[in-house]
Amino acid sequence: EVQLLDSGGGLVQPGGSLRLSCAASGFTFSDYAMSWVRQAPGTGLEWVSAISASGYGTYYGDSVKGRFTISRDNSKNTLFLQMTSLRAEDTAVYYCAKMGPIPYDFFHIWGQGTMVTVSS
Amino acid sequence: EVVLTQSPGTVSLSLGERATLSCRASQSINSNYLAWYQQKPGQAPSLLIFSASNRATAIPDRFSGSGSGTDFTLTISRLEPEDSAVYYCQHYGSSLWTFGQGTKVEIK
Repeated sequence: EVQLLDSGGGLVQPGGSLRLSCAASGFTFSDYAMSWVRQAPGTGLEWVSAISASGYGTYYGDSVKGRFTISRDNSKNTLFLQMTSLRAEDTAVYYCAKMGPIPYDFFHIWGQGTMVTVSS
Repeated sequence: EVVLTQSPGTVSLSLGERATLSCRASQSINSNYLAWYQQKPGQAPSLLIFSASNRATAIPDRFSGSGSGTDFTLTISRLEPEDSAVYYCQHYGSSLWTFGQGTKVEIK
């Protein structure tokens, strides 16, 4: 069974940093691109970042470009999102998502999400 | 960037009725790159439809997608209690994935 387990969320002060992780199982992690999507309280979905299967291609939404870094460790089947210079508007549930084999694919499977709260 | 506008914001229907959800794109998009997701309260989103009209694995056939160009539709032919959720359309196929703002389906 394909599973994605998001972790690393918590409370952080404005300007602080946090690293999210997504542990994958049930599929060949290194064959698939991955993404992060967030959802602020009571609002809709916002794509945050994506990374190619190899890790060489990375993509970011305008609202996080220059502050967030996506990466992956294919030997450990784990996806990461390093978040710096956090702002109140980054408060959201963050979901990792598995994409398909084609470039720029849709999101086949989603993790359960991890909550990030940016507040003093 | 492709902006997706969903309507209505909320639809309230009775069990067994038909729900028609709209997703309009700001520019013409390849129908191969339009997906729909369902998000039930307190849960992560899950894939319903990809390439505008293809049901994902294990999705019941009361869900169907259609459309092309700038206008896409998700239809739920006979509403069941478990269909109460928010539904999002998504454009993919480029390095800038975008979502519509969602349509909430309420069961009366």
